Amino acid sequence: IAGITQAPTSQILAAGRRMTLRCTQDMRHNAMYWYRQDLGLGLRLIHYSNTAGTTGKGEVPDGYSVSRANTDDFPLTLASAVPSQTSVYFCASSDSVGGTSSYNEQFFGPGTRLTVL
Amino acid sequence: GIQVEQSPPDLILQEGANSTLRCNFSDSVNNLQWFHQNPWGQLINLFYIPSGTKQNGRLSATTVATERYSLLYISSSQTTDSGVYFCAVSFPDSNYQLIWGAGTKLIIKP
Repeated sequence: IAGITQAPTSQILAAGRRMTLRCTQDMRHNAMYWYRQDLGLGLRLIHYSNTAGTTGKGEVPDGYSVSRANTDDFPLTLASAVPSQTSVYFCASSDSVGGTSSYNEQFFGPGTRLTVL
Repeated sequence: GIQVEQSPPDLILQEGANSTLRCNFSDSVNNLQWFHQNPWGQLINLFYIPSGTKQNGRLSATTVATERYSLLYISSSQTTDSGVYFCAVSFPDSNYQLIWGAGTKLIIKP
């Protein structure tokens, strides 16, 4: 079982270009998340999806969009990249949300290192 | 606003030493997780522990939800324990999204 895969592993991008980061999970988890991690800091939530067909905004959504057409895939798109979007991007998933069940535990992919010049 | 504070920010120990990392949070939580981010950037799940005590080998964790803190204990440290340890919590009012502390950077010297 692969868990969560992300692509690409790393990317250097010119400012103003469009870029889609891919995330796929094979655990049939209902909820998926995108976080960014800037150097020396904790993660911050960009967008989330509690179930296929629904999405929501996190703490830092500006400049990013997501879609959730099916359970397994949750792509993150930068419509017009800017240097401040240079970061490491992590995708995560959990079986469910709500309450204190261990099904809320989030699991993370290996990350995508993005540099915008 | 919602706050998650970790201490200490940095910790340097000799191999074999024990350590305690602390996470304070500002409100009642419905999810608390401890992660280890290794030097290659990979995030490794250590514990899901919104309350109570758990142990896994040399690591254990305790969350006292009523007093709004969690502790991660590492015993008999090894150089492979080096990295950054993060506490992340979710609150009912945050739509269950994880909010992260700034981490504790742990360096274990041989």
